[in-house]
Amino acid sequence: SQQGEEDPQALSIQEGENATMNCSYKTSINNLQWYRQNSGRGLVHLILIRSNEREKHSGRLRVTLDTSKKSSSLLITASRAADTASYFCATYNGGATNKLIFGTGTLLAVQP
Amino acid sequence: ETGVTQSPTHLIKTRGQQVTLRCSSQSGHNTVSWYQQALGQGPQFIFQYYREEENGRGNFPPRFSGLQFPNYSSELNVNALELDDSALYLCASSLRRSNLYEQYFGPGTRLTVT
Repeated sequence: SQQGEEDPQALSIQEGENATMNCSYKTSINNLQWYRQNSGRGLVHLILIRSNEREKHSGRLRVTLDTSKKSSSLLITASRAADTASYFCATYNGGATNKLIFGTGTLLAVQP
Repeated sequence: ETGVTQSPTHLIKTRGQQVTLRCSSQSGHNTVSWYQQALGQGPQFIFQYYREEENGRGNFPPRFSGLQFPNYSSELNVNALELDDSALYLCASSLRRSNLYEQYFGPGTRLTVT
Protein backbone atom coordinates (compact mmCIF):
# COMPACT_ATOMS: atom_id res chain seq x y z
CA SER A 1 0.00 0.00 0.00
CA GLN A 2 1.08 3.57 -0.55
CA GLN A 3 2.55 5.40 2.43
CA GLY A 4 0.60 8.56 1.79
CA GLU A 5 -0.45 11.25 -0.55
CA GLU A 6 1.39 13.77 -2.62
CA ASP A 7 -0.09 17.11 -3.40
CA PRO A 8 -0.78 18.35 -5.97
CA GLN A 9 -1.33 15.36 -8.25
CA ALA A 10 -0.31 17.51 -11.20
CA LEU A 11 1.32 20.91 -11.54
CA SER A 12 1.93 23.03 -14.62
CA ILE A 13 4.21 26.07 -14.45
CA GLN A 14 6.27 28.31 -16.72
CA GLU A 15 10.01 27.99 -17.07
CA GLY A 16 11.76 30.08 -14.43
CA GLU A 17 9.01 29.72 -11.84
CA ASN A 18 9.36 27.73 -8.65
CA ALA A 19 7.58 24.42 -8.14
CA THR A 20 6.52 23.12 -4.74
CA MET A 21 5.34 19.59 -4.09
CA ASN A 22 4.10 18.23 -0.79
CA CYS A 23 4.18 14.73 0.62
CA SER A 24 2.40 13.31 3.64
CA TYR A 25 3.15 9.96 5.23
CA LYS A 26 1.59 7.80 7.91
CA THR A 27 4.21 6.08 10.06
CA SER A 28 7.43 7.05 11.81
CA ILE A 29 10.44 7.18 9.52
CA ASN A 30 14.21 6.92 9.49
CA ASN A 31 14.55 9.05 6.40
CA LEU A 32 12.56 10.42 3.50
CA GLN A 33 13.78 10.47 -0.07
CA TRP A 34 12.64 12.24 -3.22
CA TYR A 35 12.90 10.65 -6.64
CA ARG A 36 12.25 11.86 -10.19
CA GLN A 37 10.86 9.68 -12.95
CA ASN A 38 10.86 10.64 -16.60
CA SER A 39 8.17 9.22 -18.87
CA GLY A 40 7.53 6.01 -16.90
CA ARG A 41 11.18 5.01 -16.84
CA GLY A 42 13.56 4.40 -13.95
CA LEU A 43 13.61 6.48 -10.81
CA VAL A 44 16.43 8.92 -10.20
CA HIS A 45 17.37 9.67 -6.60
CA LEU A 46 17.29 13.40 -5.90
CA ILE A 47 17.78 13.98 -2.22
CA LEU A 48 17.54 12.24 1.15
CA ILE A 49 16.61 13.91 4.41
CA ARG A 50 17.00 12.15 7.73
CA SER A 51 14.33 12.23 10.41
CA ASN A 52 16.47 14.49 12.62
CA GLU A 53 16.94 17.06 9.85
CA ARG A 54 14.48 19.84 9.08
CA GLU A 55 15.82 21.23 5.83
CA LYS A 56 18.27 20.19 3.14
CA HIS A 57 19.50 21.78 -0.06
CA SER A 58 20.98 20.35 -3.22
CA GLY A 59 21.50 22.71 -6.12
CA ARG A 60 18.08 24.06 -7.10
CA LEU A 61 16.32 21.63 -4.74
CA ARG A 62 15.18 22.41 -1.22
CA VAL A 63 13.54 19.78 0.93
CA THR A 64 11.87 20.33 4.27
CA LEU A 65 10.69 17.74 6.74
CA ASP A 66 8.20 18.16 9.56
CA THR A 67 8.03 14.91 11.50
CA SER A 68 5.38 16.28 13.86
CA LYS A 69 3.04 16.75 10.90
CA LYS A 70 4.42 13.73 9.01
CA SER A 71 4.97 15.85 5.96
CA SER A 72 7.69 16.96 3.58
CA SER A 73 7.96 19.41 0.76
CA LEU A 74 10.19 19.61 -2.30
CA LEU A 75 10.89 23.01 -3.81
CA ILE A 76 12.48 23.29 -7.25
CA THR A 77 13.65 26.82 -7.90
CA ALA A 78 14.05 28.47 -11.31
CA SER A 79 12.45 25.50 -13.07
CA ARG A 80 13.51 24.37 -16.53
CA ALA A 81 11.69 22.43 -19.21
CA ALA A 82 14.01 19.51 -18.43
CA ASP A 83 12.48 19.33 -14.92
CA THR A 84 9.27 18.00 -16.48
CA ALA A 85 8.77 14.61 -14.83
CA SER A 86 6.90 12.79 -12.08
CA TYR A 87 8.23 13.32 -8.57
CA PHE A 88 7.80 10.79 -5.78
CA CYS A 89 8.55 10.89 -2.12
CA ALA A 90 9.54 7.63 -0.46
CA THR A 91 9.98 6.81 3.19
CA TYR A 92 12.26 4.33 4.89
CA ASN A 93 11.33 3.31 8.43
CA GLY A 94 14.62 1.76 9.49
CA GLY A 95 13.31 -1.79 9.76
CA ALA A 96 15.16 -5.01 8.99
CA THR A 97 13.93 -4.80 5.42
CA ASN A 98 15.12 -1.60 3.88
CA LYS A 99 12.12 -1.17 1.67
CA LEU A 100 10.93 2.18 0.46
CA ILE A 101 7.28 3.11 0.66
CA PHE A 102 6.34 5.51 -2.11
CA GLY A 103 3.73 8.18 -2.36
CA THR A 104 1.40 8.60 -5.28
CA GLY A 105 3.54 11.14 -7.09
CA THR A 106 3.22 14.64 -8.52
CA LEU A 107 3.34 15.13 -12.28
CA LEU A 108 5.22 18.36 -13.01
CA ALA A 109 5.03 20.02 -16.42
CA VAL A 110 7.31 22.99 -17.05
CA GLN A 111 6.27 24.98 -20.08
CA PRO A 112 9.10 26.66 -22.07
CA GLU B 1 23.11 6.59 -15.07
CA THR B 2 22.90 4.51 -11.90
CA GLY B 3 24.84 1.48 -13.12
CA VAL B 4 21.79 -0.74 -12.58
CA THR B 5 20.64 -2.49 -15.73
CA GLN B 6 17.48 -4.43 -16.46
CA SER B 7 16.41 -6.70 -19.28
CA PRO B 8 14.35 -6.87 -21.32
CA THR B 9 13.12 -3.30 -21.79
CA HIS B 10 9.66 -4.32 -22.94
CA LEU B 11 7.82 -7.61 -22.85
CA ILE B 12 4.40 -8.77 -23.99
CA LYS B 13 3.05 -12.01 -22.56
CA THR B 14 -0.26 -13.82 -22.54
CA ARG B 15 -2.35 -14.47 -19.46
CA GLY B 16 -1.32 -17.72 -17.78
CA GLN B 17 2.25 -17.62 -19.05
CA GLN B 18 5.39 -17.25 -16.97
CA VAL B 19 7.98 -14.48 -17.20
CA THR B 20 11.51 -13.88 -15.94
CA LEU B 21 12.92 -10.38 -15.58
CA ARG B 22 16.59 -9.71 -14.93
CA CYS B 23 18.54 -7.09 -13.07
CA SER B 24 22.22 -6.37 -12.74
CA SER B 25 23.11 -4.43 -9.61
CA GLN B 26 25.43 -1.49 -9.31
CA SER B 27 28.98 -2.61 -8.61
CA GLY B 28 29.61 -3.16 -4.90
CA HIS B 29 25.93 -3.30 -3.94
CA ASN B 30 24.82 -6.40 -2.04
CA THR B 31 21.08 -5.80 -1.75
CA VAL B 32 18.49 -5.79 -4.50
CA SER B 33 14.82 -4.86 -4.24
CA TRP B 34 12.04 -5.29 -6.76
CA TYR B 35 9.10 -2.94 -7.17
CA GLN B 36 5.96 -3.02 -9.28
CA GLN B 37 4.62 0.26 -10.62
CA ALA B 38 1.16 0.27 -12.13
CA LEU B 39 0.25 3.08 -14.49
CA GLY B 40 -0.28 6.34 -12.62
CA GLN B 41 0.82 4.92 -9.27
CA GLY B 42 3.92 4.96 -7.15
CA PRO B 43 6.13 1.85 -7.01
CA GLN B 44 5.03 -0.94 -4.68
CA PHE B 45 7.61 -3.09 -2.89
CA ILE B 46 7.57 -6.74 -4.01
CA PHE B 47 10.54 -8.22 -2.16
CA GLN B 48 14.20 -7.76 -1.35
CA TYR B 49 17.24 -10.02 -1.49
CA TYR B 50 20.36 -9.73 0.60
CA ARG B 51 23.22 -12.20 0.27
CA GLU B 52 21.05 -14.47 -1.88
CA GLU B 53 18.28 -14.76 0.73
CA GLU B 54 14.85 -13.14 0.66
CA ASN B 55 14.91 -10.36 3.21
CA GLY B 56 11.37 -9.08 3.32
CA ARG B 57 8.33 -9.25 1.13
CA GLY B 58 5.47 -6.96 0.29
CA ASN B 59 1.85 -7.87 -0.26
CA PHE B 60 2.37 -10.02 -3.34
CA PRO B 61 1.27 -13.65 -3.88
CA PRO B 62 3.74 -16.57 -3.99
CA ARG B 63 3.59 -16.67 -7.78
CA PHE B 64 5.99 -13.74 -7.56
CA SER B 65 9.39 -15.20 -6.74
CA GLY B 66 12.98 -14.15 -7.04
CA LEU B 67 16.61 -15.10 -6.97
CA GLN B 68 19.83 -13.31 -6.20
CA PHE B 69 23.08 -14.71 -7.52
CA PRO B 70 26.60 -14.60 -6.01
CA ASN B 71 27.50 -11.71 -8.30
CA TYR B 72 24.46 -9.87 -6.84
CA SER B 73 22.49 -9.95 -10.08
CA SER B 74 18.87 -10.89 -9.63
CA GLU B 75 15.79 -12.34 -11.29
CA LEU B 76 12.09 -11.75 -10.75
CA ASN B 77 9.84 -14.61 -11.82
CA VAL B 78 6.09 -14.32 -12.18
CA ASN B 79 4.01 -17.44 -12.81
CA ALA B 80 0.45 -17.71 -14.07
CA LEU B 81 0.40 -14.15 -15.34
CA GLU B 82 -2.75 -12.11 -14.83
CA LEU B 83 -3.88 -9.00 -16.67
CA ASP B 84 -3.28 -6.93 -13.53
CA ASP B 85 0.39 -7.89 -13.62
CA SER B 86 0.82 -5.41 -16.47
CA ALA B 87 3.14 -2.78 -15.02
CA LEU B 88 6.64 -1.34 -14.97
CA TYR B 89 8.93 -3.56 -12.91
CA LEU B 90 11.83 -1.79 -11.28
CA CYS B 91 14.80 -3.21 -9.52
CA ALA B 92 16.93 -1.19 -7.15
CA SER B 93 20.29 -1.99 -5.67
CA SER B 94 21.76 -0.66 -2.48
CA LEU B 95 24.60 -1.19 -0.09
CA ARG B 96 23.41 -2.40 3.26
CA ARG B 97 24.84 -0.16 5.93
CA SER B 98 23.35 1.43 8.99
CA ASN B 99 20.79 4.21 8.83
CA LEU B 100 20.83 5.06 5.18
CA TYR B 101 19.28 2.99 2.46
CA GLU B 102 19.64 5.07 -0.64
CA GLN B 103 18.51 2.89 -3.49
CA TYR B 104 19.63 3.08 -7.10
CA PHE B 105 17.01 2.15 -9.64
CA GLY B 106 17.34 0.55 -13.02
CA PRO B 107 15.38 1.78 -16.06
CA GLY B 108 12.66 -0.82 -15.57
CA THR B 109 10.99 -3.53 -17.64
CA ARG B 110 7.56 -2.70 -19.04
CA LEU B 111 5.45 -5.88 -18.92
CA THR B 112 2.17 -6.07 -20.80
CA VAL B 113 -0.09 -9.05 -20.21
CA THR B 114 -2.80 -9.63 -22.82
